Amino acid sequence: DTEVTQTPKHLVMGMTNKKSLKCEQHMGHRAMYWYKQKAKKPPELMFVYSYEKLSINESVPSRFSPECPNSSLLNLHLHALQPEDSALYLCASSQRLAGPYNEQFFGPGTRLTVL
Amino acid sequence: KQEVTQIPAALSVPEGENLVLNCSFTDSAIYNLQWFRQDPGKGLTSLLLIQSSQREQTSGRLNASLDKSSGRSTLYIAASQPGDSATYLCAPDDGGATNKLIFGTGTLLAVQP
Repeated sequence: DTEVTQTPKHLVMGMTNKKSLKCEQHMGHRAMYWYKQKAKKPPELMFVYSYEKLSINESVPSRFSPECPNSSLLNLHLHALQPEDSALYLCASSQRLAGPYNEQFFGPGTRLTVL
Repeated sequence: KQEVTQIPAALSVPEGENLVLNCSFTDSAIYNLQWFRQDPGKGLTSLLLIQSSQREQTSGRLNASLDKSSGRSTLYIAASQPGDSATYLCAPDDGGATNKLIFGTGTLLAVQP
């Protein structure tokens, strides 16, 4: 099973709301990723967790707050977002952080609209 | 800094044709290169991963090649079908301690029935 699941599929929120995106994998992977993808652009890396510890933060604004409560679960907490944060948010996982044959598997994404 | 270019940006072919998508990258110090498929508004589906010491990988009608020294990879799709219509993304990693994927801007493929 190479499945990464994400909830919700769609989310509409106002600029003063607080919401969370959830990602789950049961492949025993120890690295998990958040990407942001705007229309007609490639995905941009936001955060990487390895063994539940934050390894990479690509200078993401603090209104995005990641959390990795256990090895299977990754959350992205959202607060005081701007309309330009509207995008497809993708979660991915891989066996480990780096090395050969380290394939990344992606979830279906959450389509976020900020009003 | 790794930079990735994909050519062509868009391609329209009739059903049944064989086709080649091209990817070039600037830094050959990679661990792996992945090819992904993305349908509109959906997530990425991993098609093939080529490890840096490999020359090619095959999966069904797909064959990906890698020439690391020249910074090039190709994705060959045999006997194309309308269901192959999607955006195809090439992503070598940065060869560093975090295997960060660097994505090209993709090739939008339309296969006409």
